[in-house]
Amino acid sequence: DSGVTQTPKHLITATGQRVTLRCSPRSGDLSVYWYQQSLDQGLQFLIQYYNGEERAKGNILERFSAQQFPDLHSELNLSSLELGDSALYFCASSATHTSGTEAFFGQGTRLTVV
Amino acid sequence: AQSVAQPEDQVNVAEGNPLTVKCTYSVSGNPYLFWYVQYPNRGLQFLLKYITGDNLVKGSYGFEAEFNKSQTSFHLKKPSALVSDSALYFCAVRDGNDKIIFGKGTRLHILP
Repeated sequence: DSGVTQTPKHLITATGQRVTLRCSPRSGDLSVYWYQQSLDQGLQFLIQYYNGEERAKGNILERFSAQQFPDLHSELNLSSLELGDSALYFCASSATHTSGTEAFFGQGTRLTVV
Repeated sequence: AQSVAQPEDQVNVAEGNPLTVKCTYSVSGNPYLFWYVQYPNRGLQFLLKYITGDNLVKGSYGFEAEFNKSQTSFHLKKPSALVSDSALYFCAVRDGNDKIIFGKGTRLHILP
């Protein structure tokens, strides 16, 4: 168990809908990362937060947004969902944002858009 | 831009034989390199990292990785493979903007 908790584990929703994925980082970790894993795209970095502030942005669609709250948990909001958004979404956390620090991953949320 | 490449989609190794999973990287500045493993329906698990110092890094489950600056490589190795090592392996690099970039992954099959 990595200590990173993601809910829900599975989510099935229809096209055009909006969903929220939740992540609780390891105790004491200030940095949170979101990744999307699909079969043909590998593990794509979406966005990173550090202590409530956005730190780095990757290939995140405008339909997607995220935030990190004062208690350090994070939420990833996906709206106007399309079939192609079906994927595994991972959250990871690390103690800091510095270069030598590894990140620890949650079990992921499997999103299926029908 | 920082990047990692894993040139093999799949590697097959007989149980008991040594294994190598290849990774090359491209960074500006000092490389901070990581290996992760993913078992089916699970999240990624951290195996080991290179920050500085010895070129041979030891990690979890008997894995080690060799950092080679001149070849810009960070290959994952294990002297004797187990069937339970069968999984998806990812190499990653942390770039100067702090995000962690992953390779496409290499599926390792250990044959009994």
